[in-house]
Amino acid sequence: SQKIEQNSEALNIQEGKTATLTCNYTNYSPAYLQWYRQDPGRGPVFLLLIRENEKEKRKERLKVTFDTTLKQSLFHITASQPADSATYLCALGRYSGGGADGLTFGKGTHLIIQP
Amino acid sequence: DTAVSQTPKYLVTQMGNDKSIKCEQNLGHDTMYWYKQDSKKFLKIMFSYNNKELIINETVPNRFSPKSPDKAHLNLHINSLELGDSAVYFCASSLGNVLTFGAGSRLTVL
Repeated sequence: SQKIEQNSEALNIQEGKTATLTCNYTNYSPAYLQWYRQDPGRGPVFLLLIRENEKEKRKERLKVTFDTTLKQSLFHITASQPADSATYLCALGRYSGGGADGLTFGKGTHLIIQP
Repeated sequence: DTAVSQTPKYLVTQMGNDKSIKCEQNLGHDTMYWYKQDSKKFLKIMFSYNNKELIINETVPNRFSPKSPDKAHLNLHINSLELGDSAVYFCASSLGNVLTFGAGSRLTVL
């Protein structure tokens, strides 16, 4: 069965350092991968999308890599700040043309940036 | 303006009752979804609708019935509530691959 694993339930990082979160998947051939941020009591918020033919995407302090051979994505937050503390969800999608197939989510990594 | 809004935000009810959660999006998106997030924070798709037509119906008990009166609305009705239905239910919409979620509706069944 399809499985998405995110590296740990909680990750503690010191402010200013780079936080690296891992997303591994099995029995899946995604057309794209997305990362979302979820704060307590809120819905997930989209951060980045990377397609199967892309190796890396950047947005401000965020960077995502996608290795379809390793079946892994890494999500980096550089110069981390306490405000980056949240749960980060990895999500996979099958069809690059959009549509209503929805996304398959991992359980998320709870990131804590300590001052 | 709230892009995807759901009501109520909190719902506490007894086992066996019937309840509904409403969702509206003002983004002009064609596709809407219901996701369930359980106590372990695992977010799982339940249904998706495209232009009022049901596209995905994952393995969900038939006590759950979605209804889409128009493409801006997707409501979720739950019959004969059970303890295991306690969770946070998220409505979402999309145009293409990216989802926009509502704030969630926390359902507690006693």
